[in-house]
Amino acid sequence: AQTVTQSQPEMSVQEAETVTLSCTYDTSESDYYLFWYKQPPSRQMILVIRQEAYKQQNATENRFSVNFQKAAKSFSLKISDSQLGDAAMYFCAYYISGTYKYIFGTGTRLKVLA
Amino acid sequence: DAGVIQSPRHEVTEMGQEVTLRCKPISGHNSLFWYRQTMMRGLELLIYFNNNVPIDDSGMPEDRFSAKMPNASFSTLKIQPSEPRDSAVYFCASSSGGEVGQGYTFGSGTRLTVV
Repeated sequence: AQTVTQSQPEMSVQEAETVTLSCTYDTSESDYYLFWYKQPPSRQMILVIRQEAYKQQNATENRFSVNFQKAAKSFSLKISDSQLGDAAMYFCAYYISGTYKYIFGTGTRLKVLA
Repeated sequence: DAGVIQSPRHEVTEMGQEVTLRCKPISGHNSLFWYRQTMMRGLELLIYFNNNVPIDDSGMPEDRFSAKMPNASFSTLKIQPSEPRDSAVYFCASSSGGEVGQGYTFGSGTRLTVV
């Protein structure tokens, strides 16, 4: 079965500091995509960053970067220079190429302390 | 583009009443998804439409739930009769069928409370 595990229900980070959210997944597929979505209190699910499994280079979007370890099936999100607006639920998701279904983790609530 | 538009934003209804949630996908997107989010189960895919045709409705919890997509710009999710355990946030998301790997675009969700 394909699963996505986020083992940290909640994390806190001081403003301007760096935090890493962990995600592991389980699949036997070779062609897939991984995502991090942010859900702020407004409820809107916002795509933060995306990684294709065939790419070895870790994706980066401004202050957000991932550490993709394919053999370990690990996909962590690093947020640098954390800002108050980063406070949200963060969901890791997995998508198998050629299908339509995303598998979401249970989420990590990130608190940013001023 | 205004993004994926859902209405209403909040809905409070009494048990046994019919509830209809609405979604307008992004123009040009031919894949549409309805998700339900609860604390206990997280995000669950309810149904997937491609080119207005339901492809997979295996996530629809019961016959009380039905979804339609009469045209490319509109979809509804109906619950009849509603029950308190249906209380959740319901999301609609869309993507371009050939680019599902690019990520969904989600609407803002409808928070449904059944009392």
